[in-house]
Amino acid sequence: ETGVTQSPTHLIKTRGQQVTLRCSSQSGHNTVSWYQQALGQGPQFIFQYYREEENGRGNFPPRFSGLQFPNYSSELNVNALELDDSALYLCALSLGGSSSGANVLTFGAGSRLTVL
Amino acid sequence: AQSVTQLGSHVSVSEGALVLLRCNYSSSVPPYLFWYVQYPNQGLQLLLKYTSAATLVKGINGFEAEFKKSETSFHLTKPSAHMSDAAEYFCAVSEPGSARQLTFGSGTQLTVLP
Repeated sequence: ETGVTQSPTHLIKTRGQQVTLRCSSQSGHNTVSWYQQALGQGPQFIFQYYREEENGRGNFPPRFSGLQFPNYSSELNVNALELDDSALYLCALSLGGSSSGANVLTFGAGSRLTVL
Repeated sequence: AQSVTQLGSHVSVSEGALVLLRCNYSSSVPPYLFWYVQYPNQGLQLLLKYTSAATLVKGINGFEAEFKKSETSFHLTKPSAHMSDAAEYFCAVSEPGSARQLTFGSGTQLTVLP
């Protein structure tokens, strides 16, 4: 049990639809990162939020967007879903924003999205 | 730009045998290096991390890794495999000040044979 809760755990969508994935924690982690893990691959960094603002972004198109709320919970939104968006989406919490990269990320169990 | 290469997508060892999972990295600055483990239907759990202190890093569950700058490697070892070690292992790198963005390798699936 990591203390990081992601919902839903599984969902199925069709091409062109939109999806919202959620992440929350009872601890005071003020930085949230989202990763996409396609089947058989390592996680890829989507973006990070710190103090409710995007604080770094990987190589993902603008149809991937996010929000961080004052209570540090977060959402990942994906518009115009494509088949290749099928993956496990991982939320990772940490402290301190863009300072030292040595702080540990605490991952949730993920939301598995299937796009048909 | 930084990258991670994990040699061997699948590794099988017998219970009690040495575990060696290989990781090589490239980074333009001295990196931070991590090993994570992922069990089925779970998120990633940190095994150990290197942050420019001792080059031999000890982690949880008897795992350790050695940072070798000359070889740009950070291989993960465990002297004696246990059945519960069967999982997927990911090596990751980050650069100081990089907004804590991790670049992961493609993973190594470890099978432990009885």
